[in-house]
This record gives sequence, structure tokens and C-alpha cells, in this order.
Amino acid sequence: GAGVSQSPSNKVTEKGKDVELRCDPISGHTALYWYRQSLGQGLEFLIYFQGNSAPDKSGLPSDRFSAERTGGSVSTLTIQRTQQEDSAVYLCASSLVVSGGFTDTQYFGPGTRLTVL
Amino acid sequence: AQKITQTQPGMFVQEKEAVTLDCTYDTSDPSYGLFWYKQPSSGEMIFLIYQGSYDQQNATEGRYSLNFQKARKSANLVISASQLGDSAMYFCAMRRNTGTASKLTFGTGTRLQVTL
Repeated sequence: GAGVSQSPSNKVTEKGKDVELRCDPISGHTALYWYRQSLGQGLEFLIYFQGNSAPDKSGLPSDRFSAERTGGSVSTLTIQRTQQEDSAVYLCASSLVVSGGFTDTQYFGPGTRLTVL
Repeated sequence: AQKITQTQPGMFVQEKEAVTLDCTYDTSDPSYGLFWYKQPSSGEMIFLIYQGSYDQQNATEGRYSLNFQKARKSANLVISASQLGDSAMYFCAMRRNTGTASKLTFGTGTRLQVTL
């Protein structure tokens, strides 16, 4: 079946511009996660959504970062007024959530490479 | 807070040999899960193997096995019969095991190079 997809695969933007990154999770997966991978900081958790519950935003680095998940499926990560330190690969993952049990494995998309000039 | 430590920034192994990639962790959670992911140069994170903290046996998946030593808080990945295609970054990760979604905490990774 289809895996997690992300678009665009590459994004180059100028400092101060807003960007939107999109994630399509695996069909039927109720949990969706965003991570960031950069040379200086490694792999960092940003935010996750699970069903209709309030998202866990504890990893968002500043209020310039926000994310939404529409219809329990597609998610968009928005970065406002981009800065050079936002340059990184943004990875999306999805998983099943087993009722009364543990979450299933997180499966990752190919990522979006963001470069802020 | 959870922490994952991978002390080997780079490893070399000859084709067909076995290699062990080290991972130690720290957590106060009674129930947790440990993962290994492979990231080739293409960038995608590929799930390899999972070990639950209450699992009695070490996990195995084909050529991958996880040497889980709970008392030592270690979860080393063993790759048997290395292949050239195993050359990649390998990340150890952990999460709380609860009834809800839970974020992964990653180590800094080990770059494995398989040589002829």
C-alpha cells in the first residue's frame, strides 16, 4: 500500500517568507507526527496529532511554527517569517493507535528539505 | 525525560561480517519501546526492529536482532551477514508505551559503512 507522502520534496525560500509543508499519512493511521532533522540539532520532535484529541505541541520551537490536521488525515506544517535556522529536513510520520493498547510503529515519509536563504 | 545515547559516530564492517551498533537509554517510565531505524543517503527513515520493555525475548527481524539488556539500559542492534546496501545512518529511538500516541526520542545516530 501507499506510504507516507510529503510535499514538496524541496523548498527554497527567502528569509521572512512563510512556508507550508504538507503530509499525507498512511490511510487508516490515526496518529500523525512531525519531526525536524538538522545538522546541529539531530532529530527533534515537533508536534503530533491523534484522532480528535488536542495535539501535543510541546516540541514546536517558537510561535512561528504551527500545524493543523484537516479531516483526521492530511496535515500542514506552517512556518511563518522563516529564519535561516529553520533550514532542515522536516519529516512526517504516521502510526495506528490501538485502542486500549500501545501505539503501533511510526512510519516516516521521505521528508521536505527546507532551505532558507 | 527520556534520553538515547549512541556513542559510535561511525563504524566500518566488511561485507558478510556481523556488526553491533550500540545504544543506551535512560528513562523513568516503567513501560517503553525501543526502535531502530535506518536512514540511507536518500533520506527516508526505514523502520527495522522494535523491542518492548516487557518483552521477555530479544526481537529479531531477518538479519537484524536487538540485544536488549534491561538492567544495563542498552538496546544494541546486531546486523548479521552485512551487505553493501546496509551502508547508511542508523538511529536508535524510544517512546513511552501508553494507550495514546507518543513521540519518539532519537539518538544522534551511527554511520555504518560496509566495505568489500
